[in-house]
Amino acid sequence: DAGITQSPRYKITETGRQVTLMCHQTWSHSYMFWYRQDLGHGLRLIYYSAAADITDKGEVPDGYVVSRSKTENFPLTLESATRSQTSVYFCASRGTPLYNEQFFGPGTRLTVL
Amino acid sequence: QQQVKQSPQSLIVQKGGISIINCAYENTAFDYFPWYQQFPGKGPALLIAIRPDVSEKKEGRFTISFNKSAKQFSLHIMDSQPGDSATYFCAAKNPSNTGKLIFGQGTTLQVKP
Repeated sequence: DAGITQSPRYKITETGRQVTLMCHQTWSHSYMFWYRQDLGHGLRLIYYSAAADITDKGEVPDGYVVSRSKTENFPLTLESATRSQTSVYFCASRGTPLYNEQFFGPGTRLTVL
Repeated sequence: QQQVKQSPQSLIVQKGGISIINCAYENTAFDYFPWYQQFPGKGPALLIAIRPDVSEKKEGRFTISFNKSAKQFSLHIMDSQPGDSATYFCAAKNPSNTGKLIFGQGTTLQVKP
């Protein structure tokens, strides 16, 4: 199916474990973004990428790592999960600089015990 | 200066009424102001957007009013329907090619039948 997908949709893990959230888009969009959504904070940008092999920090990058070896994939890794990283994570993509709309995936609900 | 402040946090409106959500920003360089709509369990989706050189934009029952001098913009939902019940986020875009969005805290709207 065309669009932007995230996996897994739900994940429960324990403190200290490594977790990778996957994001895949079929539009060949250049720009991709990772957000976390927490009540009272809206959507906060974790990392973003302008193209394959080009990534940069957002507002709340600590404790997260990203990579982008292929245009269509943008995985987010929590190297050592903490309870404060319990959240809903959204991946988004955007096409050319002339087109402003970001398209969001369905989200991954992560619980860190 | 990068913040976008959104109010109210929650809103209850009767069917047929007008829903109004407000946002304020500080950075006068922002060049694009979208509103996203999010239903439970889904990712946010673009609802309507405006550029700072326009004071109002209307799409169906949804209108953005933009006050550049006051650095405020608002979403008006006319003839609100139960199907409009969702979380609404305002956002502002930095004037760069990456198109990073700064989101407000979100407003949960409930439209009572």
